[in-house]
Amino acid sequence: KAGVTQTPRYLIKTRGQQVTLSCSPISGHRSVSWYQQTPGQGLQFLFEYFSETQRNKGNFPGRFSGRQFSNSRSEMNVSTLELGDSALYLCASSTGPTGDEQYFGPGTRLTVT
Amino acid sequence: QQQVKQSPQSLIVQKGGISIINCAYENTAFDYFPWYQQFPGKGPALLIAIRPDVSEKKEGRFTISFNKSAKQFSLHIMDSQPGDSATYFCAASGVKGSTLGRLYFGRGTQLTVWP
Repeated sequence: KAGVTQTPRYLIKTRGQQVTLSCSPISGHRSVSWYQQTPGQGLQFLFEYFSETQRNKGNFPGRFSGRQFSNSRSEMNVSTLELGDSALYLCASSTGPTGDEQYFGPGTRLTVT
Repeated sequence: QQQVKQSPQSLIVQKGGISIINCAYENTAFDYFPWYQQFPGKGPALLIAIRPDVSEKKEGRFTISFNKSAKQFSLHIMDSQPGDSATYFCAASGVKGSTLGRLYFGRGTQLTVWP
């Protein structure tokens, strides 16, 4: 079975721009979670989707949004980028309804200049 | 507030030795406790996980010990190898409210195994 895939792998954007990141979960997995990883803050939860519904959301500003499609693929969007948004954005998928056993993709490295 | 506290921050072990990483939590709603291994430039990889109904789980050289009353769990890596050099994260998750579908991570432990 193919693992979680994320595109693009690397991205450079300018302050004020917006960005969309994509995640394809493992086949059959219905839960998709997003995390931001930085050296200073570690791994922080953004949001989780199950069957196209957002079930949980972390403490991030409204500039961070996401969605899930009927095929379980997910996208996250960050508008009005700030320098502090530079991070590794990780997507994880899980098969079960509790979304606990999560398998991570390689991440998208976002650099904001 | 860090819901899962992990120590030590870094660990240096000789090849063949035992590596021990500890985590503590407060939220009794947590019922799933995984450990992840992350190499530079890669996403975290699920290593081993435990639920509170057992006190220990072993998979190969990796063992989780779980103490429900103390709200602590630890990862033991037996016969540590240079290839085990990576960052290890403990995490916790639950099935209700803010714990659903969400992993709360510790800050990570950078393990270095000297040959």
